[in-house]
Amino acid sequence: EPEVTQTPSHQVTQMGQEVILRCVPISNHLYFYWYRQILGQKVEFLVSFYNNEISEKSEIFDDQFSVERPDGSNFTLKIRSTKLEDSAMYFCASSVTWDAVFGQGTRLTVV
Amino acid sequence: AQSVTQPDIHITVSEGASLELRCNYSYGATPYLFWYVQSPGQGLQLLLKYFSGDTLVQGIKGFEAEFKRSQSSFNLRKPSVHWSDAAEYFCAVGSNNAGNMLTFGGGTRLMVKP
Repeated sequence: EPEVTQTPSHQVTQMGQEVILRCVPISNHLYFYWYRQILGQKVEFLVSFYNNEISEKSEIFDDQFSVERPDGSNFTLKIRSTKLEDSAMYFCASSVTWDAVFGQGTRLTVV
Repeated sequence: AQSVTQPDIHITVSEGASLELRCNYSYGATPYLFWYVQSPGQGLQLLLKYFSGDTLVQGIKGFEAEFKRSQSSFNLRKPSVHWSDAAEYFCAVGSNNAGNMLTFGGGTRLMVKP
């Protein structure tokens, strides 16, 4: 069964550093997403990406965040200058329309 | 703005017993509704979805859910729980005006007693 692959599974970074979280969506999917889950809190939408541009973003997705689909297969989330409150599990997802398939997540720890 | 409430943070049931997980949503139009399950260390797996039509929807692993517009609810049910169903369950509502964005509830952690 096709799956969404995320790397790394766990990343530790120093506050103020840039991080790039990587995702390989399912190949025939058209929509790509990033969600995050701070420990003990809800899964929150960050951004959706369709036709090589952002189609929707939440208030969380400020200028520190960016997404890219650099080569037609990968989908990345960049956080320019990490803060302690960026520590969370980040989920990538992809879909043809609505049936989003989620990856297993990257746990980001900012120290 | 849309929102989802899952009133039960934790539920414990005995193996073989029936299960109902509650979900209430707030959305201005006809909602797209979903249930996802998350096992420890795993991603979110789609159990079932409701877009339109028959208000009782069947999903994977023997789960079903019923959409009740009058109660703004989309409760998840299973007639007989297995130990492997222990996981966290998330209800979500989708907005087709917002890039297929999903808004999740806070989740219900299900524990299964032998």
